[in-house]
Amino acid sequence: NAGVTQTPKFQVLKTGQSMTLQCAQDMNHNSMYWYRQDPGMGLRLIYYSASEGTTDKGEVPNGYNVSRLNKREFSLRLESAAPSQTSVYFCASSGIRQGDQPQHFGDGTRLSIL
Amino acid sequence: ELKVEQNPLFLSMQEGKNYTIYCNYSTTSDRLYWYRQDPGKSLESLFVLLSNGAVKQEGRLMASLDTKARLSTLHITAAVHDLSATYFCAVASTNAGGTSYGKLTFGQGTILTVHP
Repeated sequence: NAGVTQTPKFQVLKTGQSMTLQCAQDMNHNSMYWYRQDPGMGLRLIYYSASEGTTDKGEVPNGYNVSRLNKREFSLRLESAAPSQTSVYFCASSGIRQGDQPQHFGDGTRLSIL
Repeated sequence: ELKVEQNPLFLSMQEGKNYTIYCNYSTTSDRLYWYRQDPGKSLESLFVLLSNGAVKQEGRLMASLDTKARLSTLHITAAVHDLSATYFCAVASTNAGGTSYGKLTFGQGTILTVHP
């Protein structure tokens, strides 16, 4: 089982460049999430999609956009990258909206913005 | 706004000793999760606690939830080096009707190091 797959695993960008982080899950989960992880701050929710066709802002959405392309795929876009967006980005998915199951995480994308 | 605080943030233990990590949260919730993260790796689910008084055990780790006190604990028994990792608790938000849903707020994480 692949679970949650994120691409790319590493990326270096220059300030002002744009890019899209891809996430796909093969567990037939309804809900998908994007987090960023910074040292000493745990994980912070950027955006989530409770079900196909819906997206909502999390704690730190500024500077990001998302697309729930279909049930399997949820992408995160940085339109104009800034050094403050240097972080490790994790995608996660879960099967039930009421949170009775844990979220399953991908391996992360390590993003550096110069 | 839901806030989640863990303590301690750093924990250095000797093998064979017992210790407890605490997770306090600020608003009503009945869904709490514990995760483990090894350096440079993803997060691995350890426990899902779904109601007041819930207790789960796996090997040397035991987690409990007290929703009235808004407190969860992760107890480590007879620590071994393989338990060295960062441990996160995460709490599910509730909607206006009091139903928990999948949006999680994470604690800062507890970095556990177990020494021989």
